[in-house]
Amino acid sequence: DPKIIQKPKYLVAVTGSEKILICEQYLGHNAMYWYRQSAKKPLEFMFSYSYQKLMDNQTASSRFQPQSSKKNHLDLQITALKPDDSATYFCASSQDPTNYAEQFFGPGTRLTVL
Amino acid sequence: DAKTTQPDSMESTEGETVHLPCSHATISGNEYIYWYRQVPLQGPEYVTHGLQQNTTNSMAFLAIASDRKSSTLILTHVSLRDAAVYHCILRVYGNEKITFGAGTKLTIKP
Repeated sequence: DPKIIQKPKYLVAVTGSEKILICEQYLGHNAMYWYRQSAKKPLEFMFSYSYQKLMDNQTASSRFQPQSSKKNHLDLQITALKPDDSATYFCASSQDPTNYAEQFFGPGTRLTVL
Repeated sequence: DAKTTQPDSMESTEGETVHLPCSHATISGNEYIYWYRQVPLQGPEYVTHGLQQNTTNSMAFLAIASDRKSSTLILTHVSLRDAAVYHCILRVYGNEKITFGAGTKLTIKP
């Protein structure tokens, strides 16, 4: 059974629209994260949440808003989409955010903005 | 987080042992050495981590130099499933963020 679920797997959007990327983890973890990987670039850290509270935000644009309705959910809302937002977005989780906890990554959502 | 240097690519053959080097000359005393790997179209996968002593698990052996300025990830009896980009990463205590670089692309020949 998949332990981190990301939905949808593929997403195509038009410029200016808004989309929500879904992430659920069933590992009982207390911390969740979002990363982004653009074509031929390394993974880039975006957000971290611990116990449903924002811990770190490395995304310059306010168009990216994480949403945590439950401890095991961390969705990512993206507004006013731009072609440069095209990337694969990975959700991750770990037991504890403050030590050297291993992070587990989901399969990713591949977003294409036309 | 301090920077790491890895070769862009390495190649090996099934069944062999691979040594993946990583240089981290400016590592701080509170930084752990982490290794992740990523195959195309999938999220990164944790491999191992260490601070000062060599470590081993079911996936790999991590050899850390006594001065901690370099480390080597050793994969034994590699298979085609070990083909991936391997990332050597330094993490500061209390910093949950993982900063990925380009990593080493490991190719395995049958």
